[in-house]
Amino acid sequence: AQSVTQPDIHITVSEGASLELRCNYSYGATPYLFWYVQSPGQGLQLLLKYFSGDTLVQGIKGFEAEFKRSQSSFNLRKPSVHWSDAAEYFCAVGSNDYKLSFGAGTTVTVRA
Amino acid sequence: GAVVSQHPSWVICKSGTSVKIECRSLDFQATTMFWYRQFPKQSLMLMATSNEGSKATYEQGVEKDKFLINHASLTLSTLTVTSAHPEDSSFYICSALSGGRAGELFFGEGSRLTVL
Repeated sequence: AQSVTQPDIHITVSEGASLELRCNYSYGATPYLFWYVQSPGQGLQLLLKYFSGDTLVQGIKGFEAEFKRSQSSFNLRKPSVHWSDAAEYFCAVGSNDYKLSFGAGTTVTVRA
Repeated sequence: GAVVSQHPSWVICKSGTSVKIECRSLDFQATTMFWYRQFPKQSLMLMATSNEGSKATYEQGVEKDKFLINHASLTLSTLTVTSAHPEDSSFYICSALSGGRAGELFFGEGSRLTVL
């Protein structure tokens, strides 16, 4: 069975500071990995995804994530956060059937 | 980018009534759509996979007679919550798989159901 753990429920970061959101997954084969962002009352927007190839993945809005098979991790990073980055972030794992399992999410608060 | 639209975005109904939620892919054809349920402050839980022209595949623990899914066309899937009860109150989100672009899953904006 596939599963995702996001250890941090809530992170507060100052505007302009760096951000890292942790994601660990459990999956029997090579996983498809995703990061999504959700603003209050909204659907999900894809930030980036990893299927294969280069383990450092660039996404939209200045985000990147690194797939580390040895650690079963797919952490999301941004060098300098903006106030508009305040949202809920979800890590998800799946396969080529696109049935995704989501982590519990990490709420990011950005302080001025 | 591709757009997936859900309607209604917000609905309140009385206990015992049925509610239909639509999920439309606006600029691409989606042979496969997925329905998720999200409780407050929790993650999304996959309910079912909706395949155009065939029966939906439900995840374990999801009552197929309770949550009726119809994928009658390549751009529309519907979720009907039958005989709704307060415990069915939730945020329902659909996603659509774009066959033209590998790995492109697009999510709708969600539909919030409140059952009184």
